[in-house]
Amino acid sequence: NAGVTQTPKFQVLKTGQSMTLQCAQDMNHEYMSWYRQDPGMGLRLIHYSVGAGITDQGEVPNGYNVSRSTTEDFPLRLLSAAPSQTSVYFCASRPPGTDTQYFGPGTRLTVL
Amino acid sequence: AQRVTQPEKLLSVFKGAPVELKCNYSYSGSPELFWYVQYSRQRLQLLLRHISRESIKGFTADLNKGETSFHLKKPFAQEEDSAMYYCAPPCWEGFNKFYFGSGTKLNVKP
Repeated sequence: NAGVTQTPKFQVLKTGQSMTLQCAQDMNHEYMSWYRQDPGMGLRLIHYSVGAGITDQGEVPNGYNVSRSTTEDFPLRLLSAAPSQTSVYFCASRPPGTDTQYFGPGTRLTVL
Repeated sequence: AQRVTQPEKLLSVFKGAPVELKCNYSYSGSPELFWYVQYSRQRLQLLLRHISRESIKGFTADLNKGETSFHLKKPFAQEEDSAMYYCAPPCWEGFNKFYFGSGTKLNVKP
């Protein structure tokens, strides 16, 4: 299994641009989530999904959209990038019946 | 919401010194807690969970219900322990919103 994968690894955007961060897992996990990691702020939950077709907001959802059309994929969309969205983004998934999350390698996003 | 706090942003110790990374929780019920670690340029990974009462890489963590704490300890720090450490509640079925601690960066100096 590849586990949780994320693309791209690095991205630079200009203010106002939009883009999609990709996340995929091949472990048939129902639960997937997106976090952003900022110095001194730790990991903050952006959005999560408990299964295909079901998504919900986390702690810091503004400026981000998600969808879950398949169990495997959980893309995160930045609608109009802002410098405040400069961060490292992590995707995670959880196997059914457990309480441990498995993380992807992260995407480092810079918004100029 | 299940919340945890990590009061220290940065902890610097010398190699061979004892280490204690602090974590306090603020929710009731039967708390279960985890420590995740992120080494430089690597993804977050589970270090240990209190329910297992295990010792991973020399680290242990004891749940203290009286002090509502779950501090991570190691008697003799090694340089390879330098990393970012996050305390977190578990991701339970039906409890899908939960919050990591803000993290503590451990720097072990030679």
